[in-house]
Amino acid sequence: GAVVSQHPSRVICKSGTSVKIECRSLDFQATTMFWYRQFPKQSLMLMATSNEGSKATYEQGVEKDKFLINHASLTLSTLTVTSAHPEDSSFYICSARASGSGGRGNEQFFGPGTRLTVL
Amino acid sequence: SQQGEEDPQALSIQEGENATMNCSYKTSINNLQWYRQNSGRGLVHLILIRSNEREKHSGRLRVTLDTSKKSSSLLITASRAADTASYFCAPNQGGKLIFGQGTELSVKP
Repeated sequence: GAVVSQHPSRVICKSGTSVKIECRSLDFQATTMFWYRQFPKQSLMLMATSNEGSKATYEQGVEKDKFLINHASLTLSTLTVTSAHPEDSSFYICSARASGSGGRGNEQFFGPGTRLTVL
Repeated sequence: SQQGEEDPQALSIQEGENATMNCSYKTSINNLQWYRQNSGRGLVHLILIRSNEREKHSGRLRVTLDTSKKSSSLLITASRAADTASYFCAPNQGGKLIFGQGTELSVKP
């Protein structure tokens, strides 16, 4: 089956530092990856759509300078939380949609998530 | 804003009983997907139902879709304690999944 990994699974950092989270599709190529955040007991909120080789598309209210997304290859997207603050503490989840299989209708495969804690 | 809205928010049943969760959405969709999430973990894809389908089965899962009412339901039959998790519907609008608030299911042994 299609497997998506995230690294790290858990990170604790000091306020003001930047944190990079990686999302990899392990056994398939993904033209499109998505980044979500989830607060405790809440739903997943789509932050941005990451397209290989082009700029990410951010959802309304998401600061693109704060959450930098790079999708440099068909198997890797990265999310960098810049100048992190305690309110950025959350569960960040990525998903990947396989390339060349019809695009919009297809299943997304989710990573296991990264728990970020900013002190 | 949330595309999928779910009902109930929490459901507690005994093992062996059936669990039904409902989802409503607002705009036209390509398909609708259901996921489960154990506490603090990633999402597991359960089932996808296309906009031209009305019902779909997978093991103990049965999903219905009514596009005229913009609603879907997930039925888990003969529930087990291991089914305890949060369940989310995710209408697919133009390739983007917009998740509902979820239903927290607790199955007591």
